[in-house]
Amino acid sequence: AQSVAQPEDQVNVAEGNPLTVKCTYSVSGNPYLFWYVQYPNRGLQFLLKYITGDNLVKGSYGFEAEFNKSQTSFHLKKPSALVSDSALYFCAVRDQSPEAGTASKLTFGTGTRLQVTL
Amino acid sequence: KAGVTQTPRYLIKTRGQQVTLSCSPISGHRSVSWYQQTPGQGLQFLFEYFSETQRNKGNFPGRFSGRQFSNSRSEMNVSTLELGDSALYLCASSPTRGGGRTDTQYFGPGTRLTVL
Repeated sequence: AQSVAQPEDQVNVAEGNPLTVKCTYSVSGNPYLFWYVQYPNRGLQFLLKYITGDNLVKGSYGFEAEFNKSQTSFHLKKPSALVSDSALYFCAVRDQSPEAGTASKLTFGTGTRLQVTL
Repeated sequence: KAGVTQTPRYLIKTRGQQVTLSCSPISGHRSVSWYQQTPGQGLQFLFEYFSETQRNKGNFPGRFSGRQFSNSRSEMNVSTLELGDSALYLCASSPTRGGGRTDTQYFGPGTRLTVL
């Protein structure tokens, strides 16, 4: 079974500093990995995904993620944090459904709360 | 394009009642998945529908059910509500073009269910 681990419940960073939110995964086949962000009382907003290709994936709002197969990691990064980036971040892995043509379930990590302060 | 919409946004029920939540996917999307989010269990997959058929089901009791209509809109139903069913219920849609594994799931704002 697929699994995702987010080892940090909370990450604190000062505005303007780089940020990293960590994620490690466990899958039996090719990993399809996603990052989502959740603001208070809102649903999940898609940030970026890794399917194949370049290990550095660029996404929305200046976020990027680095895929590392040997370390089974997919860390989310941003060069310069903003106070408005404060939110709950989820890493997720796509289930390896054998049936093509249908979207299969996402398995989520427990989430990391990012707090950016002035 | 309009995003995924969910109704109602907030709901208060009492134990033993039943509830129906609705989800309208992004236009052209044919797959709808439902997730439950709670502080204790996090985000958990409930079920997935594609072409009006349930394709995948999570580890939830039979009190949780769903369906999908020909226009891809989906409903989920919870019968005999329990206090532990209080949660944010999220719906996600996906286009499923060219193989679903690489598609992105786009989430709605959720329905906040409180069971008293």
